[in-house]
Amino acid sequence: NAGVTQTPKFQVLKTGQSMTLQCAQDMNHNSMYWYRQDPGMGLRLIYYSASEGTTDKGEVPNGYNVSRLNKREFSLRLESAAPSQTSVYFCASSALTSYNEQFFGPGTRLTVL
Amino acid sequence: GNSVTQMEGPVTLSEEAFLTINCTYTATGYPSLFWYVQYPGEGLQLLLKATKADDKGSNKGFEATYRKETTSFHLEKGSVQVSDSAVYFCALSGSINDMRFGAGTRLTVKP
Repeated sequence: NAGVTQTPKFQVLKTGQSMTLQCAQDMNHNSMYWYRQDPGMGLRLIYYSASEGTTDKGEVPNGYNVSRLNKREFSLRLESAAPSQTSVYFCASSALTSYNEQFFGPGTRLTVL
Repeated sequence: GNSVTQMEGPVTLSEEAFLTINCTYTATGYPSLFWYVQYPGEGLQLLLKATKADDKGSNKGFEATYRKETTSFHLEKGSVQVSDSAVYFCALSGSINDMRFGAGTRLTVKP
């Protein structure tokens, strides 16, 4: 039981490049989330998927797109990376019946030059 | 909207000292409250939670009580260890898709 997994762990991009961050969970959770973590700002929600087939914007969605591929997988895409997107990205998942207790992956550290 | 404010760090303590990390919140309705811990290079792990007023969450010697009258959820531990060194996040959830995190408090425990 791996929980929430994320790939890659580290990535360096040049401004304007694109990439997709992958996330998968094996806990049969309905809801999945993407956050970014910046120093002194806690975690901020980028996008979420309440259930398979649905996605919605969070607090900071600009510059990102997501795909809920199936119940297990939720990817985050940067179409044209900018230095302001340098951050640590976390994927999380939760079951509908657990007061929104969220389980987190290990994170992806992204640097945009 | 909902929000969480937690005490700024960093906090440095000697082993076996008493720990308090303050957390207050603003919310409509009856949110659930959480403390998460993040060890270096890792994701967040749930430390404890409380889902209604006067509930006390506890785990690994850490405790926090949901105080609706003071809108607080302060984290305490009676005797910290070096292994408790980490970043601690207070969080609030008002609905299934509304989790708000504090800025985090870095704790360093020295032997």
